[in-house]
Amino acid sequence: DGGITQSPKYLFRKEGQNVTLSCEQNLNHDAMYWYRQDPGQGLRLIYYSQIVNDFQKGDIAEGYSVSREKKESFPLTVTSAQKNPTAFYLCASTSSFRLAPSTDTQYFGPGTRLTVL
Amino acid sequence: RKEVEQDPGPFNVPEGATVAFNCTYSNSASQSFFWYRQDCRKEPKLLMSVYSSGNEDGRFTAQLNRASQYISLLIRDSKLSDSATYLCVVTLTGGFKTIFGAGTRLFVKA
Repeated sequence: DGGITQSPKYLFRKEGQNVTLSCEQNLNHDAMYWYRQDPGQGLRLIYYSQIVNDFQKGDIAEGYSVSREKKESFPLTVTSAQKNPTAFYLCASTSSFRLAPSTDTQYFGPGTRLTVL
Repeated sequence: RKEVEQDPGPFNVPEGATVAFNCTYSNSASQSFFWYRQDCRKEPKLLMSVYSSGNEDGRFTAQLNRASQYISLLIRDSKLSDSATYLCVVTLTGGFKTIFGAGTRLFVKA
């Protein structure tokens, strides 16, 4: 079965710690994305990657870092510099970077819920 | 002003009711439009794309009004399983930016 997996499902972090959220896809998609969702707000783009070894900042990249060493993997690190990290984090992918989004559905992983203690 | 605005609800309706959600967008460069459904604590899933000519999928009808910059979703004969949050999603011309609305919550009661 093709799809996107994220782990862990729930993550607890102490103040000052860095944590890494995993995102893996076996859809052979070129483009991958990280979003953050807070209650009462729409999804906000953190980082995106159009292709392996390339990534770009989204709207709220401060306090986060990513890597794209393999096509199928796009891990997100939440650093201690992120002041308000408690949120629901969603990874997504599309077969190509969304130049013609009407022809390309964005697939989401099941999400990771991060809580800072 | 938010780029995509939705009434957060919640909409509480009985089974069998017809319910409509609206979504307004502010950027005239908006190109593509979608409705996603998100169940509690789950990921969003594409419900349907929205075309200028309007489109229907079973009990669901989506419409786009470019002149007034809004899209709508109509659900007929509501089922308990329709209870979810419905996200309005807009992609700007060029496809480089996708904007998600905060969602409208729907509760369908028996």
